[in-house]
Amino acid sequence: QQQVKQSPQSLIVQKGGISIINCAYENTAFDYFPWYQQFPGKGPALLIAIRPDVSEKKEGRFTISFNKSAKQFSLHIMDSQPGDSATYFCAASMVPSNTGNQFYFGTGTSLTVIP
Amino acid sequence: SQTIHQWPATLVQPVGSPLSLECTVEGTSNPNLYWYRQAAGRGLQLLFYSVGIGQISSEVPQNLSASRPQDRQFILSSKKLLLSDSGFYLCAWSVYTEAFFGQGTRLTVV
Repeated sequence: QQQVKQSPQSLIVQKGGISIINCAYENTAFDYFPWYQQFPGKGPALLIAIRPDVSEKKEGRFTISFNKSAKQFSLHIMDSQPGDSATYFCAASMVPSNTGNQFYFGTGTSLTVIP
Repeated sequence: SQTIHQWPATLVQPVGSPLSLECTVEGTSNPNLYWYRQAAGRGLQLLFYSVGIGQISSEVPQNLSASRPQDRQFILSSKKLLLSDSGFYLCAWSVYTEAFFGQGTRLTVV
């Protein structure tokens, strides 16, 4: 069962446009929601993250919007640039325990920004 | 600062040969460690995670095994590789809320 559902699978945006990637979760035990950016042949890198007590977090052109009641969160990339072309993963994590896996990833979105 | 080392970067191995991928973390103690596999154009499949030395949990039964002989060392192994073992293998670590990934190993089984 996919704990974190991510959409769309792929996205094509014109340079300067807004890229929006959506994620949804079910488990209310999740308390941290990071986004990762992955370029081809590289490992995913942490991009931005949010806690559920905040509805929005902005870092430069990247913004996370979080809707706790709907159990949904999204990544907005403003003024999208060709250099933003990458695969983006949303994730949800919970407080680490001695036995359980704490990270659950979405299936990824391949973003292409056209010049 | 914390760093993660994963090697080799690329590997081509014949079917039936053994495998050993190594990952080490520096600058942190008692991290949780993870091995993921990523097929081309696909998502992250969790293979193993470890919350301490000698403690390994397997998420997907398969032709692979993992070991954690030291606090900051995580090894992915196979006795006999299959064609289906080809993929991009990622090691990751976490201490609390975020996971940090290595640069990955591209394994091609021929």
